[in-house]
Amino acid sequence: GQQLNQSPQSMFIQEGEDVSMNCTSSSIFNTWLWYKQDPGEGPVLLIALYKAGELTSNGRLTAQFGITRKDSFLNISASIPSDVGIYFCAGHLRNNNDMRFGAGTRLTVKP
Amino acid sequence: DTAVSQTPKYLVTQMGNDKSIKCEQNLGHDTMYWYKQDSKKFLKIMFSYNNKELIINETVPNRFSPKSPDKAHLNLHINSLELGDSAVYFCASSQDGRADEKLFFGSGTQLSVL
Repeated sequence: GQQLNQSPQSMFIQEGEDVSMNCTSSSIFNTWLWYKQDPGEGPVLLIALYKAGELTSNGRLTAQFGITRKDSFLNISASIPSDVGIYFCAGHLRNNNDMRFGAGTRLTVKP
Repeated sequence: DTAVSQTPKYLVTQMGNDKSIKCEQNLGHDTMYWYKQDSKKFLKIMFSYNNKELIINETVPNRFSPKSPDKAHLNLHINSLELGDSAVYFCASSQDGRADEKLFFGSGTQLSVL
């Protein structure tokens, strides 16, 4: 079953605002990845994290691998309309051979 | 120059029919996958193929069968379609097939079973 808890489920924000979303689990992960899915398209990788405590940026996006290895967050600064979409976290469990996806955070940005 | 391409984009069919979805990747990756995205947008892996060998086979009905003629192609055949098969199916690929690798997704096939 699903082992990642992603929140919030949805967000409605004003253009220019900052956004924060996170994924948590009771299990330890070796890898965290964040994907974005635009309407009618497949998910596209935004940021990959491989070490506990790692903080990585990609433009206005910043993601961190939690120090306990059980969580990760994604921040988007100064949101713009094209940030609209569904953001998925994905993690590779320490003792598992597949990638698990969170349920997604649906982001709406009002101009 | 699409990296992972799948066809058709939309597929509408009747219950009981047999259909196929095709996928091709030009990234030179060794592993390809099929994911199912349900109406709540939850992504679940169905299959993966590495060098023509099935390496993951989740608990999907045996009506679903992946077929890979070469490492650049992974097609999905579905027999005796059911209403519950309606979903968006995504093809994906990764370099080596390690579980922690980045995935490259196609744009999806929206299957509607009537």
